Amino acid sequence: DSGVTQTPKHLITATGQRVTLRCSPRSGDLSVYWYQQSLDQGLQFLIQYYNGEERAKGNILERFSAQQFPDLHSELNLSSLELGDSALYFCASSVGADNSPLHFGNGTRLTVT
Amino acid sequence: ILNVEQSPQSLHVQEGDSTNFTCSFPSSNFYALHWYRWETAKSPEALFVMTLNGDEKKKGRISATLNTKEGYSYLYIKGSQPEDSATYLCALNSGNTGKLIFGQGTTLQVKP
Repeated sequence: DSGVTQTPKHLITATGQRVTLRCSPRSGDLSVYWYQQSLDQGLQFLIQYYNGEERAKGNILERFSAQQFPDLHSELNLSSLELGDSALYFCASSVGADNSPLHFGNGTRLTVT
Repeated sequence: ILNVEQSPQSLHVQEGDSTNFTCSFPSSNFYALHWYRWETAKSPEALFVMTLNGDEKKKGRISATLNTKEGYSYLYIKGSQPEDSATYLCALNSGNTGKLIFGQGTTLQVKP
């Protein structure tokens, strides 16, 4: 058990809808990351927050947004969903802002129909 | 666009065999290199974070080396066991954030 909690485990929704994925980092970790794994793709970096502030951004679509709250949990909001957004979304956390190893949650499987 | 390449894509070995795989990255963009093990139905688990040229890290039967000048890292598994079966991912950190660029992974299958 990595100590990172992601909810929900599975999500099935229709195109055009909006969903929110939630992540609680490991106790003591200040950084939260979001990664996307689509079919036949590797882990793609979306965004990193460190102690409430955005630290790094990847190729995150404008339809997607994230935030980290004062209690350090994070939410990833996906809107105007398309079929291609179906993927496994991982949250990870780390102690520091740069070279700390990442601790991954079990992921949220999003299916857009 | 930074590219992290891993080879081979997959590997099948017998229990007791030693094996190694490669991670290649652009040497001019190096800040740190991570290795993760990803078992089926689980989430990736950190093995090593390597930052210095010539670094060697070891965890049980698994070890890794790093050459930042030529842009590669090797992961070695000595005396493979069935429980070593997993996908091994390397990831490049190219700046002073936590952003990691992952390779596609090497999937290892160890037959008893």
